[in-house]
Amino acid sequence: NAGVTQTPKFRVLKTGQSMTLLCAQDMNHEYMYWYRQDPGMGLRLIHYSVGEGTTAKGEVPDGYNVSRLKKQNFLLGLESAAPSQTSVYFCASSPLRTGVLRTNYGYTFGSGTRLTVV
Amino acid sequence: GQNIDQPTEMTATEGAIVQINCTYQTSGFNGLFWYQQHAGEAPTFLSYNVLDGLEEKGRFSSFLSRSKGYSYLLLKELQMKDSASYLCAVRPLTYYGGSQGNLIFGKGTKLSVKP
Repeated sequence: NAGVTQTPKFRVLKTGQSMTLLCAQDMNHEYMYWYRQDPGMGLRLIHYSVGEGTTAKGEVPDGYNVSRLKKQNFLLGLESAAPSQTSVYFCASSPLRTGVLRTNYGYTFGSGTRLTVV
Repeated sequence: GQNIDQPTEMTATEGAIVQINCTYQTSGFNGLFWYQQHAGEAPTFLSYNVLDGLEEKGRFSSFLSRSKGYSYLLLKELQMKDSASYLCAVRPLTYYGGSQGNLIFGKGTKLSVKP
């Protein structure tokens, strides 16, 4: 079972370059998320999606764009990378919440992408 | 506002018991999660509380008091492999941009287990 797969695992970019991070899940989850994790800041939500073809902004969306053309994939794009975007990026997914109280509908995380912008 | 507080670092001895506290202030409440994250790895699910009380799972237990906005994670019989960061996360009740409540994470507690 692959779960949530992120590519690439590591990347070094020069300031101003662009790139796309790919997240793929095989659990048929409705919701997908992109977080960044920085020392002393915890996990912060960048963008999320509640279903195929829909995306929304999270806490720190500036400088990023996302797309979810297929239910299993959620792409995070950096159009013009900046050193402030040096971080570890985590993708996560969770199932549709149908309201059963004790079901946790928690996140499954990918293994992360360590991005350095120089 | 929405805020989750947990200690930054803790140290404990192998074989001992440690309690990691988490307090939260969110717009409504619809569940609290604890995740474990080893250095350089992804967070992995440990426990979930939505009703008051204690949930036990092997060496790990998690407690919730909704009226106090408080939870703790209890780790018994500590092992060296328990050295990791422990993340407290809360799902608010209200819609957050239509998402039905994305998880809000605390900054994590780094636990060091010493021989």
